[in-house]
Amino acid sequence: ILNVEQSPQSLHVQEGDSTNFTCSFPSSNFYALHWYRWETAKSPEALFVMTLNGDEKKKGRISATLNTKEGYSYLYIKGSQPEDSATYLCASPNDYKLSFGAGTTVTVRA
Amino acid sequence: NAGVTQTPKFRILKIGQSMTLQCTQDMNHNYMYWYRQDPGMGLKLIYYSVGAGITDKGEVPNGYNVSRSTTEDFPLRLELAAPSQTSVYFCASSPRGVNQPQHFGDGTRLSIL
Repeated sequence: ILNVEQSPQSLHVQEGDSTNFTCSFPSSNFYALHWYRWETAKSPEALFVMTLNGDEKKKGRISATLNTKEGYSYLYIKGSQPEDSATYLCASPNDYKLSFGAGTTVTVRA
Repeated sequence: NAGVTQTPKFRILKIGQSMTLQCTQDMNHNYMYWYRQDPGMGLKLIYYSVGAGITDKGEVPNGYNVSRSTTEDFPLRLELAAPSQTSVYFCASSPRGVNQPQHFGDGTRLSIL
């Protein structure tokens, strides 16, 4: 089991504000880093799969960066909206499976 | 597109009963996974399969069994239900390779009383 850590565990952000949070993963033998969005009472949905050091991916107001040398990735939400409220999971491959972090739960207050 | 389909969506079992959670995918994905969601603990991997006829244990396999006789189907079997198995169960699939995103079903909410 790979040690994938996310911080903070939860955060509250005012509607319209931007926020970001971190995923840390083992930097040795890096292969890929996954981000998923998980809304309450729904199933996780893939946001990004990142494979290159320095890579940046964007989907609407959500973007992510990757530093494979130091073993971290940031997820950014620009101009948060209530519909961005969810738990965001990151995961690192471990053989044929993924090791998931515990998630960062984002609550956007109107 | 159906994607990953799980049945049933909800089920209540008595202690000691058995049941099978069904999972099927229509994307011709090689890899399939079963997870459970424990409160505050995120996703824990129960079993996974990299192709028909091949299965392997995840982090929390005790009390469960799986089979993978076809590419499409990956059922999860609970033989003697215990209260500790009360959880939400998710099935997921992905194409060959862990650099591909996993696609999740809608989940099965299971209560054991």
